Amino acid sequence: GEDVEQSLFLSVREGDSSVINCTYTDSSSTYLYWYKQEPGAGLQLLTYIFSNMDMKQDQRLTVLLNKKDKHLSLRIADTQTGDSAIYFCAETTGGSYIPTFGRGTSLIVHP
Amino acid sequence: ETGVTQSPTHLIKTRGQQVTLRCSSQSGHNTVSWYQQALGQGPQFIFQYYREEENGRGNFPPRFSGLQFPNYSSELNVNALELDDSALYLCASSVNRGLDGSYEQYFGPGTRLTVT
Repeated sequence: GEDVEQSLFLSVREGDSSVINCTYTDSSSTYLYWYKQEPGAGLQLLTYIFSNMDMKQDQRLTVLLNKKDKHLSLRIADTQTGDSAIYFCAETTGGSYIPTFGRGTSLIVHP
Repeated sequence: ETGVTQSPTHLIKTRGQQVTLRCSSQSGHNTVSWYQQALGQGPQFIFQYYREEENGRGNFPPRFSGLQFPNYSSELNVNALELDDSALYLCASSVNRGLDGSYEQYFGPGTRLTVT
């Protein structure tokens, strides 16, 4: 199986919260990242969490890490149409600085 | 906007040809990485350059090669193009590692390569 797995699609109503989930296999993950990719654009780093943390909050974004289950989630509060994009989970492991990316979750926000 | 630019935006090549893609890093960034993103996939690491030397390579054949210049701009060269090389090619610049050990990369918008 893949090192980093994500569900492919998520559809939410504007104003609701979105939760995008990610699972990874390598227990030596050091940092876990969330990137956003809008159509025709490169990747934008949204936030990251160090593996010894359980939670990180940054404005509308909340990252939760369950290291025991190797599960990472990104919660977007008050989701807006401008949040429609593909969201990638990525990890770095051990001493490596090279992130391994999931396939991305396409978030669709409808009115 | 990240300050990382790539050219060209789109490119169409024929199987067997060679292609050169270019990237201009964000000011002050001495490290550049190249990724291949096939349709519906996440980016796959090709290689990284640090101070003009290759500093790590992913699972790509030698016909993928690169250069980094003293001004930290870089090139990705692909020889003997194959149909499966059709993808979005992303470059990302960074300083080697953040103060807290994290690795923050700034991505360019990518070059869409189509091989026919």
